Amino acid sequence: EIVMTQSPATLSVSPGERATLSCRASQNVNTNVAWYQQKPGQVPRLLIYGASTWATGIPARFSGSGSGTDFTLTISSLQSEDFAIYYCQQYSKWPLTFGGGTKVEIK
Amino acid sequence: QLQLVESGGDVVQPGRSLRLSCVGSGITFRSSVMNWVRQAPGKGLEWVAGISIDGGNKYYADFVRGRFIISRDNSKDTLYLEMNSLRVEETAVYYCARNRPGYTYGGPFDYWGQGTLVTVSS
Repeated sequence: EIVMTQSPATLSVSPGERATLSCRASQNVNTNVAWYQQKPGQVPRLLIYGASTWATGIPARFSGSGSGTDFTLTISSLQSEDFAIYYCQQYSKWPLTFGGGTKVEIK
Repeated sequence: QLQLVESGGDVVQPGRSLRLSCVGSGITFRSSVMNWVRQAPGKGLEWVAGISIDGGNKYYADFVRGRFIISRDNSKDTLYLEMNSLRVEETAVYYCARNRPGYTYGGPFDYWGQGTLVTVSS
């Protein structure tokens, strides 16, 4: 099984600042990585797939990068609605696996 | 309106069985790889199982293999998850989720249902 490790577990950021979230795979997953946002009481929402491709309707302040084993989700200027938990997922090999999540909270 | 609606969640005793259903409407259910994902209270997301478009290939997380069975009935636009020998630690909201079109193997999930709560407790 491919283990996805996210860091940090919690990120404290002020509105308007940049947030950088990391995700590391235990083996090469090429660019078969997706990022999801989940707010309290809500269903996860797909943000990025293919490591760097925006899903439908996702604002450009979200961007993804990386390949192989190291991936990054960047939120260029945090808005109030961006405070949430973010998960990475690999879909390169079964079983599919998620990272443990990074909580982005207001500083 | 694109929609996935799960049902079947309940309170069950450890060791018992339960079957979940997920009906798709307004989406290309019959041409989509489908999945089950769960989330225990206050915890992260766990992929549970996936099934190919025609139902011929099924994939499972190690922790459910041999106990859970994923299936689908494309004539009814319905996905199922048969859960046997349930454990207390499997208390969670169970979501069905669709692979983004074009991904016929593993893929990113672009539509999710609202989830159904399974509580395993004596």
